[in-house]
Amino acid sequence: EAGVAQSPRYKIIEKRQSVAFWCNPISGHATLYWYQQILGQGPKLLIQFQNNGVVDDSQLPKDRFSAERLKGVDSTLKIQPAKLEDSAVYLCASSLDPGTTGETQYFGPGTRLLVL
Amino acid sequence: QKEVEQNSGPLSVPEGAIASLNCTYSDRVSQSFFWYRQYSGKSPELIMSIYSNGDKEDGRFTAQLNKASQYVSLLIRDSQPSDSATYLCAVITGGFKTIFGAGTRLFVKA
Repeated sequence: EAGVAQSPRYKIIEKRQSVAFWCNPISGHATLYWYQQILGQGPKLLIQFQNNGVVDDSQLPKDRFSAERLKGVDSTLKIQPAKLEDSAVYLCASSLDPGTTGETQYFGPGTRLLVL
Repeated sequence: QKEVEQNSGPLSVPEGAIASLNCTYSDRVSQSFFWYRQYSGKSPELIMSIYSNGDKEDGRFTAQLNKASQYVSLLIRDSQPSDSATYLCAVITGGFKTIFGAGTRLFVKA
């Protein structure tokens, strides 16, 4: 079974530029998560999709971040314009269906973003 | 108060010893609890999940949950150098939101 795919793996941009990340979850997984992990910290949930609907985006800085999940499969996360503090690893994860008891989340390799 | 708290460590134990990792959470109606392991430069991977009060064992790992005290722990028996990593506690809150702790760094000395 193929795992969660993410691209690119690394990205270096200058502040105020825009950047986009792509995620392809495990086949059949209804729920997709985007996390931001700053060095030395735990992952912070940015947005959670169930199929193509948003379940939670309370910690997504909506003035600069946007995300979509078309057709309930692939997802893209965009930052525009980027700030220095956006330097982090962006992790995508998927799970079958969280339901009420929660499901194991499977993480992709992450995209390491450096904003100069 | 942080929603999920862990001691950042580092926790250093000799090879063969028991490592004890602790986590507290603030949302009383949380139902699902997870321990993930994250090696440096890698993504988190699930070690254990626990949903009911008590102990759950899987090989060298034991997760313990006490909902009354809002406390979950992970014990690693016969610790190996390959267990050296950051251990992340994750809680799914009553609002079905996943919250991770900052993680505890574990070093197992050979």
